[in-house]
Amino acid sequence: AQSVSQHNHHVILSEAASLELGCNYSYGGTVNLFWYVQYPGQHLQLLLKYFSGDPLVKGIKGFEAEFIKSKFSFNLRKPSVQWSDTAEYFCAVNAGNNRKLIWGLGTSLAVNP
Amino acid sequence: NAGVTQTPKFRILKIGQSMTLQCTQDMNHNYMYWYRQDPGMGLKLIYYSVGAGITDKGEVPNGYNVSRSTTEDFPLRLELAAPSQTSVYFCASSSRGGAGTEAFFGQGTRLTVV
Repeated sequence: AQSVSQHNHHVILSEAASLELGCNYSYGGTVNLFWYVQYPGQHLQLLLKYFSGDPLVKGIKGFEAEFIKSKFSFNLRKPSVQWSDTAEYFCAVNAGNNRKLIWGLGTSLAVNP
Repeated sequence: NAGVTQTPKFRILKIGQSMTLQCTQDMNHNYMYWYRQDPGMGLKLIYYSVGAGITDKGEVPNGYNVSRSTTEDFPLRLELAAPSQTSVYFCASSSRGGAGTEAFFGQGTRLTVV
């Protein structure tokens, strides 16, 4: 069965620290990959997505993610986090002809000012 | 541009009561979804629909029902509320399922069953 694994459940950083959140998926074929963000008390919003082409994807608010097919990974990065990045981050995968997104459990990020 | 609109935002139910969570989208999306979100459990798909008149079960459909009479609306019904249904519910829509489809989410409904 297809699955998505997010390795870090809770991350605490100070402002200006660098961020990397891990995401691995299990599916051997073509995939489309997403990172969503949920700010406190709000709904999920798309941060970035990968369909094809350049495996390094740029998203909003300075976030980027790199698709490494050989590692089945799609890690999210930001060089310097801000207090306003405090949120929950979800990785999601759409694989093959699946009509549904498969979701990771999320990573809670707290950035201390 | 309203996007996906859910009502109500908050609700407290007593055990055994019923209610309908409303969801409407104005983007002419064919695909609509209902998720529940519990702390540390991520998003669980309850039901989804690929178009008017077509619905299908997700991962956790027990205790819920849906209908899709129009493209815009996808209500979720709880017939006999149970404490296990205390959760935050999100409705989402996408232009199509499958490859590369971005889902747009509503603001959520926080439901407490006491």
